Amino acid sequence: TQLLEQSPQFLSIQEGENLTVYCNSSSVFSSLQWYRQEPGEGPVLLVTVVTGGEVKKLKRLTFQFGDARKDSSLHITAAQPGDTGLYLCAGATGGSYIPTFGRGTSLIVHP
Amino acid sequence: DSGVTQTPKHLITATGQRVTLRCSPRSGDLSVYWYQQSLDQGLQFLIQYYNGEERAKGNILERFSAQQFPDLHSELNLSSLELGDSALYFCASSGPHGGREKLFFGSGTQLSVL
Repeated sequence: TQLLEQSPQFLSIQEGENLTVYCNSSSVFSSLQWYRQEPGEGPVLLVTVVTGGEVKKLKRLTFQFGDARKDSSLHITAAQPGDTGLYLCAGATGGSYIPTFGRGTSLIVHP
Repeated sequence: DSGVTQTPKHLITATGQRVTLRCSPRSGDLSVYWYQQSLDQGLQFLIQYYNGEERAKGNILERFSAQQFPDLHSELNLSSLELGDSALYFCASSGPHGGREKLFFGSGTQLSVL
């Protein structure tokens, strides 16, 4: 059983479209992170959220941490081909600071 | 470039064999983490070392072992390899420069067991 469930598993869209991907759990996280992984590379950290209800923006990417700190979403506005990749959420629970990863959402943005 | 170096990038071997994967963390980072990534399991935490000492264990098989050396580089040893061990193996590091939760990943070693 995955601690973190990500949806959708796959997403194929056209350039310029908006999209939202979700990360859900029944566990409460002390912090939650989003990573992007490109083929042949390791995951790269995009953002860390720690406070329930927190919203962070990174250019066209908006990250939200749920009020109860059990879920998170990533919204991309006007997606570009360069956004293509595997988006992973990772959460740390209790006193552990070692992230547990979801299986990711594979995004393809077509020009 | 994350600053974390992993070698080799690709490794092809046979069942029953033993391999060693190597990782050099970012300069100044004391913690090294090993993860295994496969299509069916996703990214799974294996083990963490901090300044030469084992700090945390995850889903690491008994056939696998790791160590961190005085110069802080780490090695992951995989023995009695099985077909199911074929996966991407990532090393990540963290430390005072990025905070303990901010992991910097290497490019991984693609292991193929035939």
